[in-house]
Order: sequence, then structure tokens, then C-alpha cells
Amino acid sequence: NAGVTQTPKFRVLKTGQSMTLLCAQDMNHEYMYWYRQDPGMGLRLIHYSVGEGTTAKGEVPDGYNVSRLKKQNFLLGLESAAPSQTSVYFCASRDNRGRNTGELFFGEGSRLTVL
Amino acid sequence: TQLLEQSPQFLSIQEGENLTVYCNSSSVFSSLQWYRQEPGEGPVLLVTVVTGGEVKKLKRLTFQFGDARKDSSLHITAAQPGDTGLYLCAGHRDNYGQNFVFGPGTRLSVLP
Repeated sequence: NAGVTQTPKFRVLKTGQSMTLLCAQDMNHEYMYWYRQDPGMGLRLIHYSVGEGTTAKGEVPDGYNVSRLKKQNFLLGLESAAPSQTSVYFCASRDNRGRNTGELFFGEGSRLTVL
Repeated sequence: TQLLEQSPQFLSIQEGENLTVYCNSSSVFSSLQWYRQEPGEGPVLLVTVVTGGEVKKLKRLTFQFGDARKDSSLHITAAQPGDTGLYLCAGHRDNYGQNFVFGPGTRLSVLP
């Protein structure tokens, strides 16, 4: 069972470079999320999607863009990376049953360093 | 300012001891979840509580949702090294759409 798969797992960028993180889920989930995790800050929501072709901003969307062209994939893009975007990024998904009780399934994380 | 606060931030105990960690907010949540995260991995759901005052048990772990649905606690009895990890609480609010907000976590270390 693959669940939620993130690629790449590690990446080092220089300031100003661009990159895309890919998230793929094989559970046919409607909802997908991108979080960043920083020490002492917990998980903060960047963007999310409630279905194919839809995206919305979370708590900390600035500097990021997302796309959900296929139901199983959710892409997170950094157009011009900044050192403040050094973090561990987690993708998560859940189904649309149970408005406030659904379980979030997370990937293993992608560690990004911006020099 | 964090919507959810967790305490303590760090906790190091000996195997066999009991412990309680807390998740607090000034806001009301429609549900609250607890996740455990191990190094290099994503968080994994432990429990979801929905009703004020609700108590749920998962083997040696006991979870309680406050009567006013603003806070929660996690009690571990006879902690084991396998309990080591980052414990995160996540609250769902009705005006948050489909989203959960996470606390900063309690990092627990259980020494053999």
C-alpha cells in the first residue's frame, strides 16, 4: 500500500531558483493538503484542494502555487525560492466522509533547504 | 499567536512512568485529533474526539476532550520507549471549511 507519496524527499536550492514538489495518493481521496513544518510551529497549511481542478489558500500561501489537474496528484511550486522557505513539507489527503472527523494521511515529507 | 497551544513543549521521562500532555485553546472546536509523528515520517492519527467531555482509550493512552470543547489531554500510563515521538493535536472549526489547525506539538522521549 503506497498511500501518499512525495517526491523528491530532499532538495537543496539557491535563492531565486524554482522547483516543484509532487504529491501522489492512491486512495481516491477528494481532499489534499500541503503543510510546512518548522521547529516550534507545528504544521501550517499552505494550500489545499477539495477536488480535481480546485485549489484554495491556507494560512501561509505567499510564495507558493499549487495545481490539482488530476485527482490523485497535488503539486506545490516555488517560483522564486527564498531562505525563509527552508522547511519540511508534508502532503496529506483524506476522503470526504465525516466533515470534522476524517483522518489525514500524510506522506513522509520533503526536506527543502534554500541557500 | 498559535490557535492551539501544547504543553509541555519537551518531556523526557523514564520507562514505566506516567505522563499527561495538554492541548489548549481559547476557541471552540467541533472535533479534535491527536497524531504521533516519528523522526523522518509523517504524522499518524491516534484518535478523534468529538463530544465535550468525551474520553477515549487506546491501550495505555487515554484521551479526553474538555467539556467546553476548547482543550484536550493525552495521558500515557507506564510509558515505553516505543511511545517516543512528537505528539500533535489538531482542531477542526466549523468556519475552517475542510481544514484542521495544528498545535506546535509535545516532543516526548521515553528512556529505557
